[in-house]
Amino acid sequence: DIVMTQSPDSLAVSLGERATINCKSSQSVFYSSTNKNSLAWYQQKPGQPPKLLIYWASTRESGVPDRFSGSGSGADFTLTISSLQAEDVAVYYCQQYYTNPWTFGQGTKVEIK
Amino acid sequence: EVQLVESGGGLVQPGGSLRLSCAASGFTFSSYWMHWVRQAPGKGLVWVSRVNSDGSSAMYMDSVKGRFTISRDNVKNTVYLQMNSLRAEDTAVYYCVASGGWPGYWGQGTLVTVSS
Repeated sequence: DIVMTQSPDSLAVSLGERATINCKSSQSVFYSSTNKNSLAWYQQKPGQPPKLLIYWASTRESGVPDRFSGSGSGADFTLTISSLQAEDVAVYYCQQYYTNPWTFGQGTKVEIK
Repeated sequence: EVQLVESGGGLVQPGGSLRLSCAASGFTFSSYWMHWVRQAPGKGLVWVSRVNSDGSSAMYMDSVKGRFTISRDNVKNTVYLQMNSLRAEDTAVYYCVASGGWPGYWGQGTLVTVSS
């Protein structure tokens, strides 16, 4: 199985500042035939299901604010929140869907400093 | 509007059974692979099972093999998870997820509690 490792486990950022979350996979999730990375990012708030933010590593889901962006390729990926808002307090997960079984990172808790 | 609505969760004793259902609408269900993902209280997300678009192929995480069965009905636009021989460690919120290339649609989840 592909192991997904996020860093850091938690992050405290001031309002309006940048938040950066990293995700490493134990093997590449890049499909050369499609030139795409099978990597998604989710936001989860207490008592709610995960909300898809980013797929194909950098494609923003419809309706997601443009302060959220995804980057990276192969086995190293980053989720960036360019200007943290109060409503962004949540746990964020990366996930590979390159192969079954799907696997998820352990989560990164983002709080306000 | 896309909807995935799970049902069938509840409190069950160890060794018992439950059948979860996930009713889909708002997209071409028969074209999507369907997955179940679970989340134990206070823990992260774990993939459980998936079925391909026509129901001919299924996969399971190791700890549920032989106990859980995933199936689908493309007429009723519903995916099921039959869970037998339930254990305390199966306690979790179970989400159904639709994937048409990427895991695009998630349900709200249904809570399964295994306890005596």
